[in-house]
Amino acid sequence: EIVLTQSPGTLSLSPGERATLSCRASQSFRTSYLAWYQHKPGQAPRLLIYGASSRATGIPDRFSGSASGTDFTLTISRLEPEDCAVYYCQQSGRSPTTFGQGTKVEIK
Amino acid sequence: QVQLQQWGAGLLKPSETLSLTCAVYGGSLSHFYWTWIRQPPGKGLEWIGEISHSGSTSYNPSLKSRVTISVDTSREHLSLNVSSVTAADTAVYYCARQTTVTTPHTSYILDLWGQGTTVAVSS
Repeated sequence: EIVLTQSPGTLSLSPGERATLSCRASQSFRTSYLAWYQHKPGQAPRLLIYGASSRATGIPDRFSGSASGTDFTLTISRLEPEDCAVYYCQQSGRSPTTFGQGTKVEIK
Repeated sequence: QVQLQQWGAGLLKPSETLSLTCAVYGGSLSHFYWTWIRQPPGKGLEWIGEISHSGSTSYNPSLKSRVTISVDTSREHLSLNVSSVTAADTAVYYCARQTTVTTPHTSYILDLWGQGTTVAVSS
């Protein structure tokens, strides 16, 4: 199965700062099958980015995604307090679907 | 507005069978794949498996021998059964709809989620 390794484990930044989250895949797959989800405690995960770089409906433009080979990046350009959450990358290009272990974003 | 509503037993003993149901309200099972995902305490998300509206299934190899996912199109329900549970099956379980997006390229997205059901396995 494809292993997705996310880094860093935790990111602690101030409001207005830029957050860069990384997701590295153990094998190549079509980048259109890479998605990012935001998960807050007590809530269901929310789709942010699909196809590596397309924003889901209703997602603010401060969220963006990019891909380079087996490396994927989620960028939050200007952190807001409500962005405090765990972020997961997910691939559905090869079965079984797998998730990264998550990056926790903390707001100082 | 389409919503997913989950329910099922929240406390099980080791060796029992976990059974959860997810109902689709305001929509239909048709034309989508439906997935089950879980999150053990303090850990990340784990894909359990998926089913099409016609009943075609795919399971995570790590759970395949114990998992059954089924659909009841007449009631717009999908179900998850996990047999012979242990403490390692303690988790929050989610059902989710998988939608196929075709622009700009083909992508699969989990765009609708249930509220989650907490299942604990303890003797």
